[in-house]
Amino acid sequence: AQRVTQPEKLLSVFKGAPVELKCNYSYSGSPELFWYVQYSRQRLQLLLRHISRESIKGFTADLNKGETSFHLKKPFAQEEDSAMYYCALSAANQAGTALIFGKGTTLSVSS
Amino acid sequence: EAGVTQSPTHLIKTRGQQATLRCSPISGHTSVYWYQQALGLGLQFLLWYDEGEERNRGNFPPRFSGRQFPNYSSELNVNALELEDSALYLCASSFGQGLETQYFGPGTRLLVL
Repeated sequence: AQRVTQPEKLLSVFKGAPVELKCNYSYSGSPELFWYVQYSRQRLQLLLRHISRESIKGFTADLNKGETSFHLKKPFAQEEDSAMYYCALSAANQAGTALIFGKGTTLSVSS
Repeated sequence: EAGVTQSPTHLIKTRGQQATLRCSPISGHTSVYWYQQALGLGLQFLLWYDEGEERNRGNFPPRFSGRQFPNYSSELNVNALELEDSALYLCASSFGQGLETQYFGPGTRLLVL
């Protein structure tokens, strides 16, 4: 079965510290992985997807198929990074596949 | 460009009633997805509509249904409401099929008393 696990409900760091939000997935096929973010009082929005291999707002994520992980990283956290982060999986090459979400991790960055 | 819109923002119903939630996708998007975000359960996929047809549904009972109109807007209906249906219902739209990015609306918060 498809499953996404985010082991941490809350991650608190100080401004300038490195951040790593963990995401592990279970899927037998070839997955498409995403990170979505929800800032306070804003809607859920895409942060990045692994197929793009890009860095958004200083965040990067590498798909590790051996460890079935897609951890989100940022070398220096900023206060404006405080938000709820969701890891999501979709079945690659399947049209209109729904997103399977993890339960989310709240990132709190304090000064 | 206007984003995905949903109405109403809040809805209060009593057990056994029916609820209707509405979603307007981004202009040009033909696919609409519905998700439920219940407390402690995270975001769960409900339904997917594309070109007016239901293409896929999640692990929810048949009392969760909906439709997509010719203008690609969508309606989610929940019949015989139960207390555990209380949740935030999110709508997302994407451009056609495939692995296009899904853009989310602000959600409708349904409270069942």
